Amino acid sequence: SYELTQPPSVSVSPGQTASITCSGDKLGSKYACWYQQKPGQSPVVVIYQDNKRPSGIPERFSGSNSGNTATLTISGTQAMDEADYYCQAWDSSSAVFGGGTKLTVL
Amino acid sequence: QVQLQESGPGLVKPSETLSLTCTVSGGSVTSYYWSWIRQPPGKGLEWIGYIYTSGSTNYNPSLKSRVTISVDTSKNQFSLKLTSVTAADTAVYYCARLESSGSYSRWFDPWGQGTLVTVSS
Repeated sequence: SYELTQPPSVSVSPGQTASITCSGDKLGSKYACWYQQKPGQSPVVVIYQDNKRPSGIPERFSGSNSGNTATLTISGTQAMDEADYYCQAWDSSSAVFGGGTKLTVL
Repeated sequence: QVQLQESGPGLVKPSETLSLTCTVSGGSVTSYYWSWIRQPPGKGLEWIGYIYTSGSTNYNPSLKSRVTISVDTSKNQFSLKLTSVTAADTAVYYCARLESSGSYSRWFDPWGQGTLVTVSS
């Protein structure tokens, strides 16, 4: 079965750039999306179709996807961005989620 | 703005069937795909399956033998049944709409608030 691999944790200082990676076989040939989940809340999509932001998502969130790796980048990270982030893609009509990355803003 | 709300028992006994319903408000279930996703306590997300309003379904291969998703357009609801549950099925269960752009770009938005289902005797 298809697998997506994320680092368990990433730390960033306020105002700096955070990058969270998601690796999978030929992931660049699929569309990737990213979800933000804060404690006790439901996930919210922050990036879809590799690099598109839904309305209401701040411009500091961006995405890319090439080769075997998709990347979520948060520029000028703020304390409110501290959350778990999950990548997700489709393989053979099945949705696959990465294991999640806990972003800590120190 | 579409909102989703899960409902159903919060406690299910081992070997019994877990049944949940998702009520859609602020929009119609018609002409969309709808999905169930779960998250064991302290763990990551697992896709369970989806249904189109025509009734066509697709399930996670690892759960396929135990899962049924159905839709009731008259009530603007869709439902999940998971049979023969064990403690491993304890999780927060989310319902979500499946958005799409073209044939290959699909994402879950919005999500319901989630409901915790505990499997225990």
